[in-house]
Amino acid sequence: AQKVTQAQTEISVVEKEDVTLDCVYETRDTTYYLFWYKQPPSGELVFLIRRNSFDEQNEISGRYSWNFQKSTSSFNFTITASQVVDSAVYFCALSEEGGNNRKLIWGLGTSLAVNP
Amino acid sequence: EPEVTQTPSHQVTQMGQEVILRCVPISNHLYFYWYRQILGQKVEFLVSFYNNEISEKSEIFDDQFSVERPDGSNFTLKIRSTKLEDSAMYFCASSERIGYTFGSGTRLTVV
Repeated sequence: AQKVTQAQTEISVVEKEDVTLDCVYETRDTTYYLFWYKQPPSGELVFLIRRNSFDEQNEISGRYSWNFQKSTSSFNFTITASQVVDSAVYFCALSEEGGNNRKLIWGLGTSLAVNP
Repeated sequence: EPEVTQTPSHQVTQMGQEVILRCVPISNHLYFYWYRQILGQKVEFLVSFYNNEISEKSEIFDDQFSVERPDGSNFTLKIRSTKLEDSAMYFCASSERIGYTFGSGTRLTVV
């Protein structure tokens, strides 16, 4: 069965610190997709990244970077030089290929507080 | 950039009343989803819809819930006889295949 685990419920850092949010997933499919979403206090879900299971290259986008390791079934997210605007809940999610339903399976989320 | 539009953004309803949440997905998308997020909790899958049919529904999606595409563009989630525990944010999403576009959500408060 599919499962996404975000073991860190809450993280609190001081501005300019680096922070890594962990995500571990379980799936029996060989083709799947992993996602990160940001949910600011306003409540909307902001797409950050999608990665397919065949692409293990790490990705960097500005201060954000993602480390995908199939060997450990992890897809961790690092924010470098955190800013107060990064304060939000971050969700990792998994979608499997196949069929007419590609629903997202969500982790519980990590609430990140970046303090000035 | 195309958007998924959800209305209303916030709805307050009395327990026992019926509510209809509306979504306008992106026009060329084929897959539609409803998700629910109880305040402070994780996002949960409710139902997926493909080719004008439900393709999967979760355990949460019981007889109290129904989905429709009344006019081929709008996509609605109806909740009959609302309960206090239905208070949540409801998100609609549409997808062409593997990317998802989410609406801004409808915050439903049952009093």
